[in-house]
Amino acid sequence: GAVVSQHPSWVICKSGTSVKIECRSLDFQATTMFWYRQFPKQSLMLMATSNEGSKATYEQGVEKDKFLINHASLTLSTLTVTSAHPEDSSFYICSVLKGGDEQFFGPGTRLTVL
Amino acid sequence: GENVEQHPSTLSVQEGDSAVIKCTYSDSASNYFPWYKQELGKRPQLIIDIRSNVGEKKDQRIAVTLNKTAKHFSLHITETQPEDSAVYFCAARTSGTYKYIFGTGTRLKVLA
Repeated sequence: GAVVSQHPSWVICKSGTSVKIECRSLDFQATTMFWYRQFPKQSLMLMATSNEGSKATYEQGVEKDKFLINHASLTLSTLTVTSAHPEDSSFYICSVLKGGDEQFFGPGTRLTVL
Repeated sequence: GENVEQHPSTLSVQEGDSAVIKCTYSDSASNYFPWYKQELGKRPQLIIDIRSNVGEKKDQRIAVTLNKTAKHFSLHITETQPEDSAVYFCAARTSGTYKYIFGTGTRLKVLA
């Protein structure tokens, strides 16, 4: 497997502020990480693919200027939700790609925007 | 576009019975099919996976079958236990990409 951490585990912020979520690969160097969003009782929706040292690839419909992704090292990717609004409230989960096939997920970050 | 359908959306079984969850994928180039278990508020955990060159794989009480012709794959849990209660997601990955397309999830409840 792989050990993946996320920080913070939960965050509450005011509308209009920005929030940064960190995803760390603790036991191996991850060239590729993914960011997902999950609404209550729904499936995981891929937001973007984060590649170390290059720009993230965003899925259709995901605003890249709103969800800023930085993968500056092989062990850290960050997702910044800019100018957050209540509709951005969700469970955000990152994952790392290992061995070409398998994804291992972080514990998730619950974002609540007031 | 690529799509993965999953059925049923909810499933209740008596402890000790078997549970079967089915998925259908649209992209015939898909070649890797993992299954994840997600407990409330927790991360998805890989429980079993299968590649397109294999028709069946088993790990203790859990098995997955793949029918490439029909583009179906299924999760089978035997001798279910209350701790099997969770949401299960199937996914499909297309050859040449790293992206997973997830199914909509099945909420399994095992009744003691």
